[in-house]
Amino acid sequence: RKEVEQDPGPFNVPEGATVAFNCTYSNSASQSFFWYRQDCRKEPKLLMSVYSSGNEDGRFTAQLNRASQYISLLIRDSKLSDSATYLCVRRNSGAGSYQLTFGKGTKLSVIP
Amino acid sequence: DAGVIQSPRHEVTEMGQEVTLRCKPISGHNSLFWYRQTMMRGLELLIYFNNNVPIDDSGMPEDRFSAKMPNASFSTLKIQPSEPRDSAVYFCASSLGGGYTFGSGTRLTVV
Repeated sequence: RKEVEQDPGPFNVPEGATVAFNCTYSNSASQSFFWYRQDCRKEPKLLMSVYSSGNEDGRFTAQLNRASQYISLLIRDSKLSDSATYLCVRRNSGAGSYQLTFGKGTKLSVIP
Repeated sequence: DAGVIQSPRHEVTEMGQEVTLRCKPISGHNSLFWYRQTMMRGLELLIYFNNNVPIDDSGMPEDRFSAKMPNASFSTLKIQPSEPRDSAVYFCASSLGGGYTFGSGTRLTVV
């Protein structure tokens, strides 16, 4: 089983819609989680960190459920510019904490 | 800061040829990573350097792959001989204890 699993999509949603992505992870020693965004033919860029208490950044809300080993990203009032691939990422704790493990990504297309 | 700089942006080469990918990390960052991205496998860590020293090369696929970091401002990833299955986007990233900053990547096609 892959360490970080995501629904690959694609998710095709109209402008203004709310869309949610889910991610599960298999390593309970994982300590930190992130969402990265990758535009077509570009490099991944950090979108936001994910905290157990949940955190919000404008239209974006991230949630972490350690008991279920589940992470989510909610995008409200989606814009055309949100079209991208969203990568779920975990960082190990302890000696392996230098390494980020990436999911394969969920592709979002926001349609006019 | 110009960010992480990779070259070349695109490389097309014939099977059996040597390929060298280059990376200049962000000045002051002490960690450097080489990742490979394919549709099938996503982003995979190939090798990690800390203070120019290779710490984890367990992701390097086989002996055809080698990486060096002769100083804090330069790293290379070499494939010799190259094979069609090496076709992928190769990203370099640097870090100073926190999040990664990725370069724009090198799109390698081996024909």
